[in-house]
This record gives sequence, C-alpha cells and structure tokens, in this order.
Amino acid sequence: DGGITQSPKYLFRKEGQNVTLSCEQNLNHDAMYWYRQDPGQGLRLIYYSQIVNDFQKGDIAEGYSVSREKKESFPLTVTSAQKNPTAFYLCASSGMVGNTEAFFGQGTRLTVV
Amino acid sequence: AQSVTQLGSHVSVSEGALVLLRCNYSSSVPPYLFWYVQYPNQGLQLLLKYTSAATLVKGINGFEAEFKKSETSFHLTKPSAHMSDAAEYFCAVSDGGGATNKLIFGTGTLLAVQP
Repeated sequence: DGGITQSPKYLFRKEGQNVTLSCEQNLNHDAMYWYRQDPGQGLRLIYYSQIVNDFQKGDIAEGYSVSREKKESFPLTVTSAQKNPTAFYLCASSGMVGNTEAFFGQGTRLTVV
Repeated sequence: AQSVTQLGSHVSVSEGALVLLRCNYSSSVPPYLFWYVQYPNQGLQLLLKYTSAATLVKGINGFEAEFKKSETSFHLTKPSAHMSDAAEYFCAVSDGGGATNKLIFGTGTLLAVQP
C-alpha cells in the first residue's frame, strides 16, 4: 500500500537532547513537509522540500533541522535549541501542482521529560 | 499571502442534525481549497478539495462544500450528523501558483456529536 510512514509514534526527550523523527513515503511525491500541531493553533509549517538535496524554512524553523538525501525520506531533527518541543509532529507529501492534495502520516507525539 | 479563518473552534450538534463548519479564505490568486478531518492522535485525512472545476464539491462520508467567491467562503456541510463524525476539521488553502504546494491551515474546528 502506498502511503507515508512516521516513526516512532511516541517519543520522549530529555532536556538538552537532540531527537530525530523519521518520515518515509512511497507515493513517488516530489514535495515533502513537516508540520507542528499544538492545541488551538492548527498546523504550522516547519520545513519543506521540493527536490532531493534542497529544502526551505517554513514559518517556525528555529530549533529544527532537516535533510533530504533521498526522494522517499525527509527526517526532522528537533535540536536542543528548540525551547518548547512538546507537540504533535506531522509529515506530509504531495505532488508539485497546486491542486493536488497533501497526504499525511500518522504523526509523532514528542514529549520533553 | 493566502490565509484561512475558521469561525468557531468548537461546534456541537445532535445526531441527525445538520453540520455546518465555516471557513473563509484570503487569496490574491484563484485558490485551491481543502477540508481535512483528524481523529485523535492520528494524521489528517482529505475530505474534499476545490480546484475550480465545480463550485459544489462532494467529498467522503457524506460531506460537501460550496465555493462562494463573492463571500470568500468554503463552508463544509453534512445534512445529518453521525456519531462517527466527531473529530477535528481543518480548512486549508494551497500556497500553489506553480512554485510550491504548501498548505496553509486554519486553526481547526472540533465537532462534537451528541446522542
């Protein structure tokens, strides 16, 4: 089945640690995205990538980093510089045409302990 | 820049009643608009999308939405609510225009369905 796989589903991080969230898609989509979801704030774009080895900052990129070494993969690292990392993180992918919808993974819930 | 506003962060209806979730958009170009649904601790699932082919768009699970350019609205409706419709609903506009396909989301509306 085609789709987007995020792992892990739940992740706990200690203060000062970096953690990496995995996102893999087999939809052959060029574009991939990372969103952060907080209660009452909807989804906010962290980073996006339109092509391998290239990515752009979204609205809230500070404290996060990404890579796009393969078309299928777009991992997100939450660094120790991110002041409030506890949130639900969603990965998505889409075609490059504006009328194509984005497909979402099941999300990773990150909690700082 | 494109944006969407969802009026009402919480909506409660009785089972069998009409569901109306409001979305207004702002866009400098003809927009592509989407409605997504999210169940607790899950990702988003597409309900329907408007891509200028028809102003009344039918989606999954009996939902539909009407694009009204004069009102800059794209409200989501369902004639008769079911308990399984209880979820959070997001309206989104595509930041397309050929270069990217980023989605800009509203803040969501949590739908409760009372028995």
